[in-house]
Amino acid sequence: DVKVTQSSRYLVKRTGEKVFLECVQDMDHENMFWYRQDPGLGLRLIYFSYDVKMKEKGDIPEGYSVSREKKERFSLILESASTNQTSMYLCATRGNTEAFFGQGTRLTVV
Amino acid sequence: TQLLEQSPQFLSIQEGENLTVYCNSSSVFSSLQWYRQEPGEGPVLLVTVVTGGEVKKLKRLTFQFGDARKDSSLHITAAQPGDTGLYLCAGDGGATNKLIFGTGTLLAVQP
Repeated sequence: DVKVTQSSRYLVKRTGEKVFLECVQDMDHENMFWYRQDPGLGLRLIYFSYDVKMKEKGDIPEGYSVSREKKERFSLILESASTNQTSMYLCATRGNTEAFFGQGTRLTVV
Repeated sequence: TQLLEQSPQFLSIQEGENLTVYCNSSSVFSSLQWYRQEPGEGPVLLVTVVTGGEVKKLKRLTFQFGDARKDSSLHITAAQPGDTGLYLCAGDGGATNKLIFGTGTLLAVQP
């Protein structure tokens, strides 16, 4: 059974903190993605990676960075969390067809 | 930036009614996917359409890809409470293998 696992379902962080969101996949896919989901805006792509140590900016990369040291793990980093980064964060992996998603991390920045 | 606009944004209907959700873009996509997301879960793929004009059926759900491959629609016949969820279209970004998601349609089917 396919698995994309995000390390936390819920997180509450303070403004200015450095935040790490972790994602692990067991599908041996090269492509991994981080999206944020906000009501009425759908899923917006933050960053994606098509290989180990490779990364590409998505549509809204400002305030975020990523790390892909191993094929199965893709981390999203908020260098200095701000209240406008309060959102649902979804990790996904993709081979040649469909995307498989984790259950999401609901991050609240106070 | 490629954009996909969905309409309507919200839809609340009674069980047994029919509905159509639209997904529109000014960009051409090599393929288009529809996903459904339930509360507390990630989106799950329903269908992929590839050819302009293609129609695919999944039980009571009918998906159509526009002739110019810029738009798509999802029609649900005789909606049931189990159809409740967020419906998302997603266009294939091509060589980068990334998916561009639409703005989403939140459907609530009342018993």
